[in-house]
Amino acid sequence: SYELTQPPSVSVSPGQTARITCSGDALPKQYAYWYQQKPGQAPVLVIYKDSERPSGIPERFSGSSSGTTVTLTISGVQAEDEADYYCQSADSSGTVVFGGGTKLTVL
Amino acid sequence: QVQLVQSGAEVKKPGASVKVSCKASGYTFTSYDINWVRQATGQGLEWMGWMNPNSGNTGYAQKFQGRVTMTRNTSISTAYMELSSLRSEDTAVYYCARGAGYMVRGVSDYWGQGTLVTVSS
Repeated sequence: SYELTQPPSVSVSPGQTARITCSGDALPKQYAYWYQQKPGQAPVLVIYKDSERPSGIPERFSGSSSGTTVTLTISGVQAEDEADYYCQSADSSGTVVFGGGTKLTVL
Repeated sequence: QVQLVQSGAEVKKPGASVKVSCKASGYTFTSYDINWVRQATGQGLEWMGWMNPNSGNTGYAQKFQGRVTMTRNTSISTAYMELSSLRSEDTAVYYCARGAGYMVRGVSDYWGQGTLVTVSS
């Protein structure tokens, strides 16, 4: 079955840049989407179609794609950005999958 | 404003079934898919499937084929997810979410508050 691979954890200091990667064989042909989830809350969509930002999402959140890897970048990280982040995409047949999630810690 | 309000927590015995409801408001219910995602405690998100409230068409993750049924009642703008033959590994928070309409079906832009389903003897 298709898998999206994320690092389990990423740590950054406030004001620095956090980069969270997501790798999958079908990513060159399928868009990726990113969610932020804080403890006890439902996920929030922060990036769609690799690099688009929904309304209401701060400009410090951005996304990019290169080959089989997509990256969520958070510039000028703030304490409130500490959360779990999940990528989502699909394989060539359209089967939807989430990455395993990355815990972002703001030191 | 878009809202998805789910039914309350459930406790079920192994082998039983559970049916979770998701009432939508603030938009035209039949214009957007409803997705279902679950999350075991301390674990990641797991996509279960989608339903088109207009046609009733569904698409389920292979893992849940044969055990999950997604339905709707358009007169009350409510979607349902029924999971049968429950086992302890099905203990999780179950979320409904509105399909965002992007190229990857299953992407969600608004989420319900989640429903905790506990499977225990």
